[in-house]
Amino acid sequence: GAVVSQHPSRVICKSGTSVKIECRSLDFQATTMFWYRQFPKQSLMLMATSNEGSKATYEQGVEKDKFLINHASLTLSTLTVTSAHPEDSSFYICSASRTNTYEQYFGPGTRLTVT
Amino acid sequence: GEDVEQSLFLSVREGDSSVINCTYTDSSSTYLYWYKQEPGAGLQLLTYIFSNMDMKQDQRLTVLLNKKDKHLSLRIADTQTGDSAIYFCAEMGSNYQLIWGAGTKLIIKP
Repeated sequence: GAVVSQHPSRVICKSGTSVKIECRSLDFQATTMFWYRQFPKQSLMLMATSNEGSKATYEQGVEKDKFLINHASLTLSTLTVTSAHPEDSSFYICSASRTNTYEQYFGPGTRLTVT
Repeated sequence: GEDVEQSLFLSVREGDSSVINCTYTDSSSTYLYWYKQEPGAGLQLLTYIFSNMDMKQDQRLTVLLNKKDKHLSLRIADTQTGDSAIYFCAEMGSNYQLIWGAGTKLIIKP
């Protein structure tokens, strides 16, 4: 199967600091990676789509200067939450897919708490 | 716009069948998915169906697609306590991104 990992699984940070979340495809090359955010009792909200080697495409309402996405290799994408605030506290989930496939494989998610 | 809707809760007795329903709006969707999320965990792909299919069966899971009504269902036969989770329906958008329903929480009664 296709395995996607995320690190860290849980992070607590102080307001105003930045946090980096890593998403890795462990046994396949991921041309495209997606970053989602999940609020309690709500569906996943797509934040951005990133293709390896190019700039991420952000969904409407998502601040690209606040949520920095880097997809530098075919197995790694990072999401950096800059100058985090308590309202950024959420469950962030990444997914990865191979070139021209219709299956997305999800990471286990990262629980971010901003105090 | 694109929208996927599901009921928020479903309660069934252990051993009965569970049927989780979903409606979507984008008739051009090529793939439709069911994902399972257990408490505090990420998402597990359960199954998916291509839009030219009406039905797909995989062990205890049966997916039915009514493309005319844009209705998708997931039937879990012989529901067990381990099936307790939130089940998300999703359709594939034009850029391979998934558009999600809010999830249906499946509650199993003994």
